[in-house]
Amino acid sequence: EPEVTQTPSHQVTQMGQEVILRCVPISNHLYFYWYRQILGQKVEFLVSFYNNEISEKSEIFDDQFSVERPDGSNFTLKIRSTKLEDSAMYFCASSETSFRETQYFGPGTRLLVL
Amino acid sequence: GENVEQHPSTLSVQEGDSAVIKCTYSDSASNYFPWYKQELGKRPQLIIDIRSNVGEKKDQRIAVTLNKTAKHFSLHITETQPEDSAVYFCAARYSGGGADGLTFGKGTHLIIQP
Repeated sequence: EPEVTQTPSHQVTQMGQEVILRCVPISNHLYFYWYRQILGQKVEFLVSFYNNEISEKSEIFDDQFSVERPDGSNFTLKIRSTKLEDSAMYFCASSETSFRETQYFGPGTRLLVL
Repeated sequence: GENVEQHPSTLSVQEGDSAVIKCTYSDSASNYFPWYKQELGKRPQLIIDIRSNVGEKKDQRIAVTLNKTAKHFSLHITETQPEDSAVYFCAARYSGGGADGLTFGKGTHLIIQP
């Protein structure tokens, strides 16, 4: 069964540094999402992406965040200048066109900002 | 925006007994309600979902009920087994088109006592 994949699994960075988190959605999916989960808390929606543009974004997704579909398979989340409070697990998800409600999650990237 | 409340935060049941987790939502326009299971350190896995044109859905030992008037939905697990131990998240989404994000509840830590 195809799955969403994410790299790296863990990332440690210094405050103020830029990080790029990468995701490969399921191949026939056209809707992509990023979520984050601070340790011990609920999963929070960041942004959704369709047809090469942002479809929806939450209040968390401020100017320091950006997303990109650089090629036909990857979907990236960039954090320009990381803050301590950006430390979290970041999940990518994707959904099909016909049944776009069902979102399938990747294994996550654990980001630690020091 | 949507707000999802989930109860209880922790639920401990004896193996073989049933478990019920309840969620309420605020946006009457929400029409898609998935449930995810998350084991420690792993990705959220969709276990069942329901759309607002249906009142109940069942898949083996798992069932979900939806009361649109009261704006609440519940997860029922019967004949619980040790492998059911995990954190369960409910979510809601308005699925009127586009790539809309899920709003999650805070999660229920289900503990199955042997």
